[in-house]
Parts: sequence; C-alpha cells; structure tokens
Amino acid sequence: EAGVVQSPRYKIIEKKQPVAFWCNPISGHNTLYWYRQNLGQGPELLIRYENEEAVDDSQLPKDRFSAERLKGVDSTLKIQPAELGDSAVYLCASSPMGNTEAFFGQGTRLTVV
Amino acid sequence: RKEVEQDPGPFNVPEGATVAFNCTYSNSASQSFFWYRQDCRKEPKLLMSVYSSGNEDGRFTAQLNRASQYISLLIRDSKLSDSATYLCVVNRGSSNTGKLIFGQGTTLQVKP
Repeated sequence: EAGVVQSPRYKIIEKKQPVAFWCNPISGHNTLYWYRQNLGQGPELLIRYENEEAVDDSQLPKDRFSAERLKGVDSTLKIQPAELGDSAVYLCASSPMGNTEAFFGQGTRLTVV
Repeated sequence: RKEVEQDPGPFNVPEGATVAFNCTYSNSASQSFFWYRQDCRKEPKLLMSVYSSGNEDGRFTAQLNRASQYISLLIRDSKLSDSATYLCVVNRGSSNTGKLIFGQGTTLQVKP
C-alpha cells in the first residue's frame, strides 16, 4: 500500500516569494493534517481536515498561509509571501476515520533565504 | 506552558541500559496517547499506543497516569538502533477524530 506522498521534498525560495506544497494521503483516509516542524521541536499542527472540511485551522497564520483539500483527497498548502521564519519541514499526515494513528509523509524541507 | 511537555535530553546511554522518558500533558480532556519515534531527517512513525492499564511491546513499556496527567516510556536492553527522537503525542479530539498534539521530543543516543 502506498504511503502518504508529498512533493516537493526540498524547496529553496527567496523571502517574499510564494510557495506551495502538495500532499496525497493514503487512499481511504478521511483525516488529513498539515504540521510544521522546526529544528529540535516536535511537529506543530497547522490545519486538520475531515474529508474536505477544515475542522481545525486555529494555528494556521491566515495572513499568509492558505490550504485546500478539494474533493476530500489531495491537499495543498500555500505560503504567500514567505518569510525567513517559515523555514521548516512541512509534514502532511493522514488517518482513517475512527482511528487516530497518523501516518506521515516524508515532508517538504523549506528554506527561505 | 506547552500542552505536552517532555525533557528534550539528550539521553546518552550505553548499549544494554534501561532508559525511561517522561511526558506530562495539561489538557485533562485528552482522550488517547501515543509514543512516536522519529529518526534523524525522517518522518515520525507510531511506536506504540499508551493504555491506562499500561502496555508492553517487546523491550518497550508504556504507562499512563490520568490522575497525574503523566505518560512514560521505558526501554529495556537498549540497542544502537534505538537511537532516535521519541515524541509523546496526545489526542485532544473525540473518540472518532484526531487532534494530535506533539511534545518537542526526547533524543536518545545509545553508544556501544
């Protein structure tokens, strides 16, 4: 069974530029998470979807971050404009409804210069 | 104060040692609990769930104390391959949905 797929794996951009990350969750998983992980820290939740509905986006900096999950499958996370402090690993995870184990993708390592 | 707190370590132990990690959580409404393992520059992966009665998986034992809002992980007979960061995770959602909150992780380095 294919795992959670994220792309790109690495991205280097200049500050003030836009960037987008893509996630394809495990087939049949209704719950999708986006996390941000800074060096030496645990993952911090940005947004959680149940199917296509964003049920928790309280930690998403909405002035520059946006996310969507069309048709309740793939998801994209966008930052516009990026700031130096956005440099981190962005992790996507999914889980089946009724089961809270989360399966993570390999992440996108973003460097803003 | 963070919702899930762990001692970041690092814990440096020799092979064969027993090591214990602790974690505290602040939200008493938390429903379920986990330990995840994260290798360097890799994604987190589930190590084990934590049940109120305590549970064991080979050399790993997890315990939960709801009254004290405290979770522990014990690793016996440490192997070099146990070197990783161990993340304490609390689910603050309902029984059917997950709002997974991660601690900052505890780093373990097992030395020959």
